[in-house]
Amino acid sequence: DGGITQSPKYLFRKEGQNVTLSCEQNLNHDAMYWYRQDPGQGLRLIYYSQIVNDFQKGDIAEGYSVSREKKESFPLTVTSAQKNPTAFYLCASSQGSSTNEKLFFGSGTQLSVL
Amino acid sequence: QKEVEQNSGPLSVPEGAIASLNCTYSDRGSQSFFWYRQYSGKSPELIMSIYSNGDKEDGRFTAQLNKASQYVSLLIRDSQPSDSATYLCAVPTSGTYKYIFGTGTRLKVLA
Repeated sequence: DGGITQSPKYLFRKEGQNVTLSCEQNLNHDAMYWYRQDPGQGLRLIYYSQIVNDFQKGDIAEGYSVSREKKESFPLTVTSAQKNPTAFYLCASSQGSSTNEKLFFGSGTQLSVL
Repeated sequence: QKEVEQNSGPLSVPEGAIASLNCTYSDRGSQSFFWYRQYSGKSPELIMSIYSNGDKEDGRFTAQLNKASQYVSLLIRDSQPSDSATYLCAVPTSGTYKYIFGTGTRLKVLA
C-alpha cells in the first residue's frame, strides 16, 4: 500500500535532548512537509522540501532541523533549542508538480517533554 | 506573511441541518483551495478542493469560492453526528509549495 509512514507514534524528550522524527513515503512524491499542531490549533509549517537536497523554512523553523538526502525520506530533528516542543507533528507529501495537488498526511507523532 | 483565517467555533448545528464553514485568505495570487477534515488525534483527510470561482458539489459537501472577496466556504448538507470534527482550510501561497492552514473550525452536530 502506498502512503506515508511516521514513526514513532509517541516520543518523549528529556531536557536538553535532540530527538528525530521519521517520515518515509512510497508515493514517489517530490514535495514533503513538516507541520506542528498544538491542541485546538491549526497546522503550522515547520519546513518543506520540493526536491532532494533542498528545503525551505516554514513559519516556525527555529529549534528544528531537517534533511532530504533521499526522495522518500524527510526526517525532522527537534533540537534542544526548541523550548516548547510538546505538540502533534504531521508529515505530508504531494506530487510536487503543481499546487493544485492535495497533501497526503502521515498518522502523526505526538511529542511530549519528560 | 500570508494568512488564512477561520472562526475557531465550536459551531453547533442540529442533525439534518446545513453547516456553513468559512475561510478568508490574504494572498490574492492563490489559485488552489482545500478543505480537510480532522478527527481528534488523527491526521487531516481531504474533503474538497476548488480552483475556480463558484460552487463545486460532491455528495453532501459544497465548496464555494469567491476570489474577488478572498473567501472560500464549505457547506455540509444533512449534517450527521459523524461530521463532528475540526475542518481546516488550506491555501498554497502563490508561486510556492508552501501550504498555509487556518486554525480550523470545530463542528459539533447534535443528535
